[in-house]
Amino acid sequence: NAGVTQTPKFQVLKTGQSMTLQCAQDMNHEYMSWYRQDPGMGLRLIHYSVGAGITDQGEVPNGYNVSRSTTEDFPLRLLSAAPSQTSVYFCASRDLSGPPDGYTFGSGTRLTVV
Amino acid sequence: DQQVKQNSPSLSVQEGRISILNCDYTNSMFDYFLWYKKYPAEGPTFLISISSIKDKNEDGRFTVFLNKSAKHLSLHIVPSQPGDSAVYFCASYGNDYKLSFGAGTTVTVRA
Repeated sequence: NAGVTQTPKFQVLKTGQSMTLQCAQDMNHEYMSWYRQDPGMGLRLIHYSVGAGITDQGEVPNGYNVSRSTTEDFPLRLLSAAPSQTSVYFCASRDLSGPPDGYTFGSGTRLTVV
Repeated sequence: DQQVKQNSPSLSVQEGRISILNCDYTNSMFDYFLWYKKYPAEGPTFLISISSIKDKNEDGRFTVFLNKSAKHLSLHIVPSQPGDSAVYFCASYGNDYKLSFGAGTTVTVRA
């Protein structure tokens, strides 16, 4: 049981480049989300999804796109990377039939934009 | 505008003593509160939670207290152990599928 798997673990991008951060879960969780962690800011919600075909914006969605074509996968796309997007990104999933205790986080992707 | 605030960025405590971490929130719609623990290069892991209908919840060495009128919660760790050295995040949930996190408190347990 792998839980939530994020790839890659590390990435360096040049300003203006695009990339996709991958997130996959094998727990059949309806809910998936992306957070970014910055010093002094905690974790901030970027986008979330409550099921395949359904996505919504979180607190800091600008510069990021998501899609949810399957229950298992929730990729995060940076269309034109900016230095302000340098951060650690975490994907989380949860079974919506259970209590809010049940969020499972991936181990993170550390992204540097130069 | 952060709705969940952890005003102490760091806490240093001697092994065996009590660690007290504090958290304040502003949104009265929050009805569930959680603490997460995070080690370097890992994702946050769930530690303990409390519903707004309770004022205390215990799990082994960890106790969370909730004061709804003050919009304040705290996490007590007794006794503190070296493996407790980590970043602790307070999070709040308001039935809109979103967790709101505080900035975190780095706990260092000294031998």
